[in-house]
Amino acid sequence: SQQGEEDPQALSIQEGENATMNCSYKTSINNLQWYRQNSGRGLVHLILIRSNEREKHSGRLRVTLDTSKKSSSLLITASRAADTASYFCATDATGNTGKLIFGQGTTLQVKP
Amino acid sequence: GAVVSQHPSWVICKSGTSVKIECRSLDFQATTMFWYRQFPKQSLMLMATSNEGSKATYEQGVEKDKFLINHASLTLSTLTVTSAHPEDSSFYICSARVSGRGHNEQFFGPGTRLTVL
Repeated sequence: SQQGEEDPQALSIQEGENATMNCSYKTSINNLQWYRQNSGRGLVHLILIRSNEREKHSGRLRVTLDTSKKSSSLLITASRAADTASYFCATDATGNTGKLIFGQGTTLQVKP
Repeated sequence: GAVVSQHPSWVICKSGTSVKIECRSLDFQATTMFWYRQFPKQSLMLMATSNEGSKATYEQGVEKDKFLINHASLTLSTLTVTSAHPEDSSFYICSARVSGRGHNEQFFGPGTRLTVL
């Protein structure tokens, strides 16, 4: 079952602007991961943040994690048209079953 | 490194037939692989966890007799959709968990689009 919820469901911005997506989850986690999926394609792993980390950066990506609120955010700075895709958060629940539970996703459109 | 392939990338079949989808880890060993299903404009839904040398663990609501999973080696897992029906049409994605890593790092295949006529 899906435990994550993401908002917004859809986001449309102009190239150069920043895009922020939020993810909420329900259970205790080992880590939270963000993935990108281009239309009809497989998933690309973007970044993993562990439960004891609060913020992580990778290039133009910045991820925050607030375990007290069970939420995470993904910020893409200086967006490009090529960033147009769906973005999903996925949680690895405590207990290390290895299963990833995906959020509903945010569809991002970056207009040139 | 850490490449996962799926075959076929797309398949069209008639209702009532069975379809086998392969998931391979090309340059690493994966004791655990996962199978997901994704309907259009929706998120990935975990179907089952495939463990090498043992029976797969299915998520609630997924029929194990309809979706047969075989993880015969450390680099190959197969998903067979038996007696496929149009409602089984979906995008099937596998992932492989890297053995020995402390955290859960998974690598995803490119997906297989199944269309049942």
